[in-house]
Amino acid sequence: DAGITQSPRYKITETGRQVTLMCHQTWSHSYMFWYRQDLGHGLRLIYYSAAADITDKGEVPDGYVVSRSKTENFPLTLESATRSQTSVYFCASSGGDLGNYNEQFFGPGTRLTVL
Amino acid sequence: GQSLEQPSEVTAVEGAIVQINCTYQTSGFYGLSWYQQHDGGAPTFLSYNALDGLEETGRFSSFLSRSDSYGYLLLQELQMKDSASYFCAVRDSSNYQLIWGAGTKLIIKP
Repeated sequence: DAGITQSPRYKITETGRQVTLMCHQTWSHSYMFWYRQDLGHGLRLIYYSAAADITDKGEVPDGYVVSRSKTENFPLTLESATRSQTSVYFCASSGGDLGNYNEQFFGPGTRLTVL
Repeated sequence: GQSLEQPSEVTAVEGAIVQINCTYQTSGFYGLSWYQQHDGGAPTFLSYNALDGLEETGRFSSFLSRSDSYGYLLLQELQMKDSASYFCAVRDSSNYQLIWGAGTKLIIKP
C-alpha cells in the first residue's frame, strides 16, 4: 500500500513491558517523526530522523528509543512501558523528490494503553 | 519558552465564515502551518505560510504577520464536514521540526 502505515493500530500492554510501534512509508521521504497526542491536546514530538541512521530527540524523548536502518522504516520502542505513556502515537514523514519539506504526512496512529 | 496560543473552541453556523487565530512565541521562525484533525483521525495538512500575507486554497485561507507573531486560518462557506480540530504549528528551526498549538475545536451548528 502506498503512503504511510502504522502497526499495530491498537495495543494494550502492561507496565514494565517493552513495546515496539512500527512505521513504514513508501514515498522515500527523508524526514520521519514520532509524535504522541494525549486526549484533548496537541502533538508533542518524541523523536525525529532526517535520514537513515540519523535520529535526534524531540520534546519528550525519555523512555523511548528509535532506530532508522532503512529510509522507509522508523520503529519506536518503549523500553519499559509506564501508564503515563498511554497515548495515541502518530508517525509522520516529509520531504522527497519534490523537496516539499513543509508538509508532514501522518499515519493513522496507534492507540496505546498501558495498564 | 516556546509557545503557541489558539482558542480552545470556536462555534459557527453552517454557511458562515470563521477565523481561528494563532499567536506564537518561538526562538526562531521558518513558517506557520495549519492542520485539520477529525475526531479519531490523523492530522492532515491545510496550509503553510513563510511570508507575510494571505494564502488562499479554495474555501480555506491562511494569513501570517511575522511582525506581530500572529496568524489565522479563515474558513468560508462552512460545511458540517469542517467540524474538526484545527492546529497551528510553527517551524522554528532549519531541521523541519514543528511546535504545535493545543488545537481549536470547531463546532458547526446547522
